[in-house]
Amino acid sequence: GESVGLHLPTLSVQEGDNSIINCAYSNSASDYFIWYKQESGKGPQFIIDIRSNMDKRQGQRVTVLLNKTVKHLSLQIAATQPGDSAVYFCAENDSWGKLQFGAGTQVVVTP
Amino acid sequence: GAVVSQHPSWVICKSGTSVKIECRSLDFQATTMFWYRQFPKQSLMLMATSNEGSKATYEQGVEKDKFLINHASLTLSTLTVTSAHPEDSSFYICSAVTWAGTRDNEQFFGPGTRLTVL
Repeated sequence: GESVGLHLPTLSVQEGDNSIINCAYSNSASDYFIWYKQESGKGPQFIIDIRSNMDKRQGQRVTVLLNKTVKHLSLQIAATQPGDSAVYFCAENDSWGKLQFGAGTQVVVTP
Repeated sequence: GAVVSQHPSWVICKSGTSVKIECRSLDFQATTMFWYRQFPKQSLMLMATSNEGSKATYEQGVEKDKFLINHASLTLSTLTVTSAHPEDSSFYICSAVTWAGTRDNEQFFGPGTRLTVL
């Protein structure tokens, strides 16, 4: 079936460095993607989204890149801080408004 | 704005009992709410879509008679886990959609409810 998945289950990053989290999707018809951050014991928090008519979108310290040719999505976090430690999910939003989440990447920020 | 709450935040119950979890949109009307389940170290899995005033739509493999969903108003949806068993222990998360938001289909998530069945 269609799926959205991540390459790396755990990412250890030194404070101040940039983080890159990757995500692969299989449904070439997908046209809307969202990145979420989930802290332990909490619900997902919206970070940034991107539509398929774009290949890059920037927010505050975050950038999402979309490569439709290889069906790949990435989230870049600049100057990673301890507060960025969390699990990050990419999600694919279908035409019915339902989200399909990827497996998630645990980001651990070390001092 | 766009705050979603859940109650309770955690619950412990005995096997065989039923547990009700509430999901409320506090400052907006949500025609659609979604219920997810998340096991430890795993992703969120959509259980069902709840539309105000109509029956919920369940994802494949989710027992509708076990997970009763009621969406009686534009600000409240409830999930009742009936005859709960230890394997139902999980983190249950709801989300609500407002069509008046700046982003299409943006889902606002609740803080989750930790269910432990003994």
